Amino acid sequence: QVTLKESGPALVKPTQTLTLTCTFSGFSLTTSGMRVSWIRQPPGKALEWLARIDWDDDKFYSISLKSRLTISKDTSKNQVVLTMTNMDPVDTATYYCARSMTSTNWFDPWGQGTLVTVSS
Amino acid sequence: EIVLTQSPDFQSVTPKEKVTITCRASQSIGSSLHWYQQKPDQSPKLLIKYASQSISGVPSRFSGSGSGTDFTLTINSLEAEDAATYYCHQSSSLPITFGQGTRLEIK
Repeated sequence: QVTLKESGPALVKPTQTLTLTCTFSGFSLTTSGMRVSWIRQPPGKALEWLARIDWDDDKFYSISLKSRLTISKDTSKNQVVLTMTNMDPVDTATYYCARSMTSTNWFDPWGQGTLVTVSS
Repeated sequence: EIVLTQSPDFQSVTPKEKVTITCRASQSIGSSLHWYQQKPDQSPKLLIKYASQSISGVPSRFSGSGSGTDFTLTINSLEAEDAATYYCHQSSSLPITFGQGTRLEIK
């Protein structure tokens, strides 16, 4: 059974850097074709894709947020880490991680999400 | 960036009604379009893959169609448990994008 779970601070201050961890089980990011993405959803708003890391360490980012995002993986811990710099109140959202594969390209499953509030 | 536009944004429907949600892409994406259901305070759940392919465990009243730029999610004989927001997602090219969502309210 594939599962993913997000963790990180619930509250960050404006200008701070956010670090989120996605811990997964049931698959390995050393397996060819595996991918993990981060997706966020501001309260009451739509889903927004942020970044993706692939099994071969290829990394891809949202065009509008590319300068603020870094995605990395720790295959020994089955974790994917997302950092977002210079946080602003508009970054308040639930942040999800989700798996996809080169052979499928859809997101399944998703983690439960973690709500991050940006406020002083 | 490929923009996905869903319609309607909101629909109030009665049980047993048939519902159609559309998703239009700003350029052709073949069949690289997937649908998700998100209930309040839950993560999105995959409903339909590659425009029309069913997902194991998803009720058969959910179906999808379309290719190129125009896609449709159909819910036959709506049930109360289908109250949710529905999103389309394109995987044709990066950056990955989602539609703005369609919220279904059950009367």
